[in-house]
Amino acid sequence: AQSVAQPEDQVNVAEGNPLTVKCTYSVSGNPYLFWYVQYPNRGLQFLLKYITGDNLVKGSYGFEAEFNKSQTSFHLKKPSALVSDSALYFCAVRDTPSNDYKLSFGAGTTVTVRA
Amino acid sequence: GAGVSQTPSNKVTEKGKYVELRCDPISGHTALYWYRQSLGQGPEFLIYFQGTGAADDSGLPNDRFFAVRPEGSVSTLKIQRTERGDSAVYLCASSLNSGGTYEQYFGPGTRLTVT
Repeated sequence: AQSVAQPEDQVNVAEGNPLTVKCTYSVSGNPYLFWYVQYPNRGLQFLLKYITGDNLVKGSYGFEAEFNKSQTSFHLKKPSALVSDSALYFCAVRDTPSNDYKLSFGAGTTVTVRA
Repeated sequence: GAGVSQTPSNKVTEKGKYVELRCDPISGHTALYWYRQSLGQGPEFLIYFQGTGAADDSGLPNDRFFAVRPEGSVSTLKIQRTERGDSAVYLCASSLNSGGTYEQYFGPGTRLTVT
């Protein structure tokens, strides 16, 4: 079975400071990992994904994430946070090889960036 | 280009009534997914279509829930004899194909309230 844990319900940072949103996963094979962001009353927007290759992946809006197989983690990072980054962030995983194409999501982390 | 669209955006119904929720995927996307998001939680998988057929319906909570995609494009999620516990945001997503490397693109969701 595949699962994701986001250990922090909330993350608060000052604008201009680094932002990290934590994610750990559990799979039986190799993971495909995704980050999504959700703004109020909006659908989930895709940020980035890790499939294979370089452990550091870069995505939209200056976000990046680092895949760490030994720690089964895929933390989302941004070097300098903006007030507009305030939103709900979800990590998701899909196990491979598998015929299941569904994503399993974490419970989400609310990010608040203060001016 | 146009993203995933869902109608209605909001639906209020009485307990015991029947509802239909519609999803229009991104043009050319062969894979379509339905998820349900309850307050304070991440999306939970309901059903997945590859083309016209339901490839995985393991997430449907019971036989009151049913979904169709008759022409391989638009999908309808149908809920019979609605219960208050069905209240949630129902999200639809599509991807280019069912290969796990492709990210899923989400619609804005339908907020269902059962009174």
